[in-house]
Amino acid sequence: KQEVTQIPAALSVPEGENLVLNCSFTDSAIYNLQWFRQDPGKGLTSLLLIQSSQREQTSGRLNASLDKSSGRSTLYIAASQPGDSATYLCAVANQAGTALIFGKGTTLSVSS
Amino acid sequence: GAVVSQHPSRVICKSGTSVKIECRSLDFQATTMFWYRQFPKKSLMLMATSNEGSKATYEQGVEKDKFLINHASLTLSTLTVTSAHPEDSSFYICSARFDRGTYEQYFGPGTRLTVT
Repeated sequence: KQEVTQIPAALSVPEGENLVLNCSFTDSAIYNLQWFRQDPGKGLTSLLLIQSSQREQTSGRLNASLDKSSGRSTLYIAASQPGDSATYLCAVANQAGTALIFGKGTTLSVSS
Repeated sequence: GAVVSQHPSRVICKSGTSVKIECRSLDFQATTMFWYRQFPKKSLMLMATSNEGSKATYEQGVEKDKFLINHASLTLSTLTVTSAHPEDSSFYICSARFDRGTYEQYFGPGTRLTVT
């Protein structure tokens, strides 16, 4: 059974720092992996989607990498800003079109 | 990008009543939608997979008679919480799958249900 783990559970950094959020999954036979952002009491905003054949995706200050063989993904946030404060969720799809399996998230707080 | 809406965004109901939550894909057709539930400070847990024109597939431990799912069209799925109890209070989020290419899922904004 696929399990997704995110470390750390919470992270506080001062504005301007670069940071890395970690995600690991137990079954490396995934179809794709997504990173989401969730603000308190809100829905999910998709940040990046990495197909199993890809190694990384970039969007602005965000870079997500995927090492399928080791069951790991990282989300790199450059030059963090207070507006980046949110919970970041990692999720994997085991097969094309199947439901996503989520980690518990990392709650990020960026102080000004 | 594709847009998924949910209605209502918040609902408060009394114990014993039923509540219906709608999930709509606004600009694409979705043969498959998913319903998730999220407890405070917990991850999203899949409740059921909703397929247009057929019965939903429920995850283990989810009562299908309590959480009724209907997917009557390619753009609408509904979740009805029947005879709600306080322990059903939660954040319910739907997603609609784009059945092409990456099969990416697009999520609704969620519905906060509070049962008093």
